[in-house]
Amino acid sequence: ETGVTQSPTHLIKTRGQQVTLRCSSQSGHNTVSWYQQALGQGPQFIFQYYREEENGRGNFPPRFSGLQFPNYSSELNVNALELDDSALYLCASSLHGANVLTFGAGSRLTVL
Amino acid sequence: GQQVMQIPQYQHVQEGEDFTTYCNSSTTLSNIQWYKQRPGGHPVFLIQLVKSGEVKKQKRLTFQFGEAKKNSSLHITATQTTDVGTYFCAEAYTGTASKLTFGTGTRLQVTL
Repeated sequence: ETGVTQSPTHLIKTRGQQVTLRCSSQSGHNTVSWYQQALGQGPQFIFQYYREEENGRGNFPPRFSGLQFPNYSSELNVNALELDDSALYLCASSLHGANVLTFGAGSRLTVL
Repeated sequence: GQQVMQIPQYQHVQEGEDFTTYCNSSTTLSNIQWYKQRPGGHPVFLIQLVKSGEVKKQKRLTFQFGEAKKNSSLHITATQTTDVGTYFCAEAYTGTASKLTFGTGTRLQVTL
């Protein structure tokens, strides 16, 4: 059974640029959630995808968007990067309706 | 929005000492989950509590859910250096989307 894998592990961008982060869900899981974890804080819910559609969103602006593919993998896109977007971005997979999540190792984004 | 507070923010103990972190909410929690995040790592699910007054044990870890379901605690007996990390409580909301609201976290440092 493979776990949740994310890529890239680290990346550096400059303000105004766009970034795409990728996530492969754990085998058997059909739901993917994304969280943002700023340094020294707890993870914050960005959104969740199920059946290739967003089915829940946290308090994040529209420049944060996502996709889910038929194989349940997912992408997180952030446009017009701001300095405050610097954080660890965590992907978590689960079965739909289940509330126990399996987190990936994260993608650490630094915006300069 | 609702915030789940944890105390203390940080604790430094000698190996062999006990450790407790507390999670408090102003509103009734439907459930509580506990996660451990090692330095540089990602959150790893430890346990979920759903019943009022519930107590669960995992080896040296004891988890409790308050009678009023507004607080929870994690107690570690005889800490080891492998216990180092940040411990988060989180409420799992299951509606259209399964979403975790994380607490502020308690960082544990253990020295010999």
